[in-house]
Amino acid sequence: KQEVTQIPAALSVPEGENLVLNCSFTDSAIYNLQWFRQDPGKGLTSLLLIQSSQREQTSGRLNASLDKSSGRSTLYIAASQPGDSATYLCAVLNAGGTSYGKLTFGQGTILTVHP
Amino acid sequence: DAGITQSPRYKITETGRQVTLMCHQTWSHSYMFWYRQDLGHGLRLIYYSAAADITDKGEVPDGYVVSRSKTENFPLTLESATRSQTSVYFCASIGLKTQYFGPGTRLLVL
Repeated sequence: KQEVTQIPAALSVPEGENLVLNCSFTDSAIYNLQWFRQDPGKGLTSLLLIQSSQREQTSGRLNASLDKSSGRSTLYIAASQPGDSATYLCAVLNAGGTSYGKLTFGQGTILTVHP
Repeated sequence: DAGITQSPRYKITETGRQVTLMCHQTWSHSYMFWYRQDLGHGLRLIYYSAAADITDKGEVPDGYVVSRSKTENFPLTLESATRSQTSVYFCASIGLKTQYFGPGTRLLVL
């Protein structure tokens, strides 16, 4: 059974810092890995999607990497801003086993960027 | 507007009542999913559907029923609501191996 773990569970940083969020997964049989953002009381917004054949994806100040063989992904946020404060969720789309075709989510990292 | 919509957005009900949460998508995606999100548990899959009239259980299906008579709709029914079903419910569909989520329904069972 696929398990996804995110570290740290919570992170508080001053504005302007560069930061890294970590995601690890136990089964490397995945189609892709996706990072989502969730604001309090809101739905999920997709930030970046990395296909299993890719190593990284970039969007603005965000960069996500994927090392499928080691079961790890990182989300790098450059020059953090208070507006980046949210919960960040990592999810893998499973390509094998009993979770085939389904997303498995990590529990998220709660990010607070203070002015 | 294209996308996934959920209704109602907020619902308060009582223990033992039947509740149906609606989900509608405009892309004609084959796969649709229902998740619940709870503090300490993250997002957990309740049911999913590969196509109209094809549904299957996810991780936490007990107490829920789904149907899919049309591709664009995937309603979730709580047959007899319990307090443990108080949660935020998200519907999603998948296209080009990317999942798209609805805005969620906040359900409170008293």
